[in-house]
Amino acid sequence: DTGVSQDPRHKITKRGQNVTFRCDPISEHNRLYWYRQTLGQGPEFLTYFQNEAQLEKSRLLSDRFSAERPKGSFSTLEIQRTEQGDSAMYLCASSLAGDTDYGYTFGSGTRLTVV
Amino acid sequence: GQNIDQPTEMTATEGAIVQINCTYQTSGFNGLFWYQQHAGEAPTFLSYNVLDGLEEKGRFSSFLSRSKGYSYLLLKELQMKDSASYLCAEKDSNYQLIWGAGTKLIIKP
Repeated sequence: DTGVSQDPRHKITKRGQNVTFRCDPISEHNRLYWYRQTLGQGPEFLTYFQNEAQLEKSRLLSDRFSAERPKGSFSTLEIQRTEQGDSAMYLCASSLAGDTDYGYTFGSGTRLTVV
Repeated sequence: GQNIDQPTEMTATEGAIVQINCTYQTSGFNGLFWYQQHAGEAPTFLSYNVLDGLEEKGRFSSFLSRSKGYSYLLLKELQMKDSASYLCAEKDSNYQLIWGAGTKLIIKP
């Protein structure tokens, strides 16, 4: 297993366009998390899944943000009608439910720039 | 991050020792993590404390006092590569991580 993979690493998009990011977690991990991080801040929780169920989505920043994990493996995060304020690093992390003593394993992130 | 307080920035000298403090809200506490994050990279796990006391791992140690809602990360024999942000995160009653904003550590020769 190569850890948590995120794609793409960088994305530049024009304001108003839709973007989709992908995350492939560690295969045996059943929990998957999406975070947003801006410069000088800690990760900001967006949503998480246990298997294919989205257990928390109230922290998604607006209705322009949505996430899916259709088969309980990889996940996608979509931002519709992007705004300049959406520019940030989007981090994905995974863990095994009930065994978070070692925290989460993070992917390298997708850096979004909205121009 | 809400409820988690840590200094914004610290400076230390190569070869020295530095202590990074973190305070958190004690209600619903289920554990305290420290992560290291180099600029432009993802956070990587350093330590986890759930009981009071000191956990030592090589040059890095982490301390927890649950009654005081306080933790610190101690870095010894500082190396230039230790220049990074250090994030404190509390695991809450829902087993979610609540993150501090991070402490940027600058190491000078």
